[in-house]
Amino acid sequence: NAGVTQTPKFQVLKTGQSMTLQCAQDMNHNSMYWYRQDPGMGLRLIYYSASEGTTDKGEVPNGYNVSRLNKREFSLRLESAAPSQTSVYFCASSEGSGFHTPRGNEQFFGPGTRLTVL
Amino acid sequence: LAKTTQPISMDSYEGQEVNITCSHNNIATNDYITWYQQFPSQGPRFIIQGYKTKVTNEVASLFIPADRKSSTLSLPRVSLSDTAVYYCLVHNQGGKLIFGQGTELSVKP
Repeated sequence: NAGVTQTPKFQVLKTGQSMTLQCAQDMNHNSMYWYRQDPGMGLRLIYYSASEGTTDKGEVPNGYNVSRLNKREFSLRLESAAPSQTSVYFCASSEGSGFHTPRGNEQFFGPGTRLTVL
Repeated sequence: LAKTTQPISMDSYEGQEVNITCSHNNIATNDYITWYQQFPSQGPRFIIQGYKTKVTNEVASLFIPADRKSSTLSLPRVSLSDTAVYYCLVHNQGGKLIFGQGTELSVKP
């Protein structure tokens, strides 16, 4: 049981390049999330997917797109990378809302992708 | 989503009990209080969650007064490995979490 996995672990891009960050979970969770964390800051929610087939914007969605490919996988795409997108990106998953116990909202995080845009 | 306020940093020594207090004056009736821990270069990890009074697990205790406008995370007998950033979050069961800056706990020998 790997939990939440992310690829790649590290990436360096030039301004204007595009790339996709991959995330997969094997816990049969309904909800998945993408966060970014800048140095010395808390995490900020980029996009989330409450269930398969749905996606919604978080706090900082500009410059990003997401795809909930299936229940297991949730990808984050940067179409034209900018230096301001240099950050550590975390993917997370949870059972999701609507469950009877509040622990249904407990989020499990992946190891992160460290992205540098030059 | 209710905003939380917690100290930016705290220092402690090994073997001491550490209490981190979080203020959440605008907490709603449906909101839960959850604490996460984050080590450097890792994603956050769930520690404990509560709604009211006291919750205890193998890692920590969470104290919530009757008015629920604040909460206190208590870490008994900390060790060097407890050095991390601790986030207090207030949320309902809707799924979205808002992370603040957190409290950077430094445990010294």
